[in-house]
Amino acid sequence: KQEVTQIPAALSVPEGENLVLNCSFTDSAIYNLQWFRQDPGKGLTSLLLIQSSQREQTSGRLNASLDKSSGRSTLYIAASQPGDSATYLCAVNPGANSKLTFGKGITLSVRP
Amino acid sequence: DVKVTQSSRYLVKRTGEKVFLECVQDMDHENMFWYRQDPGLGLRLIYFSYDVKMKEKGDIPEGYSVSREKKERFSLILESASTNQTSMYLCASRRDKSAQFFGPGTRLTVL
Repeated sequence: KQEVTQIPAALSVPEGENLVLNCSFTDSAIYNLQWFRQDPGKGLTSLLLIQSSQREQTSGRLNASLDKSSGRSTLYIAASQPGDSATYLCAVNPGANSKLTFGKGITLSVRP
Repeated sequence: DVKVTQSSRYLVKRTGEKVFLECVQDMDHENMFWYRQDPGLGLRLIYFSYDVKMKEKGDIPEGYSVSREKKERFSLILESASTNQTSMYLCASRRDKSAQFFGPGTRLTVL
């Protein structure tokens, strides 16, 4: 059974720091991996999708990498801002017509 | 842009009422999902559907049913609402191998 782990559960950093959020998964047989952002009381917003054949994806200040063989993905946030404060979740897709397996998320606080 | 809409942002119901939560997506996605999210428990899948009139149980289907009569619409039904079904309910849709998109969520309170 696929398990997705995100450690630590919470992180607090000063504004301007570059930071890395980690995601690990136990079964490397995945179609893709997706990173989401969730603001309090809101739905999940898709940030980046990495297909299993890709190594990384970039969107603005965000860069996500994928290493299937080691069961790891990282989300790199450059020059963090208070507006980046949110919970970040990763999820893996095991295949066709399948459900995603989610991590519990990392709650990020960026201090002004 | 993909849009997933949910019928209500906030809903208050009484114990024993039948509750309908509606979800509509506008991108012709085959797969649709209903989750609930509770503090400390993360996202839990209730039901999903990979085609019209098809449904699969998720991790916590007890006390819920679903209906998918049209491709764009996926309904979650609480046959007899109970207080332990007070939660945030999130709908999502996805085309195979593509990104999954979520609706804004419905905060349901059962009194």
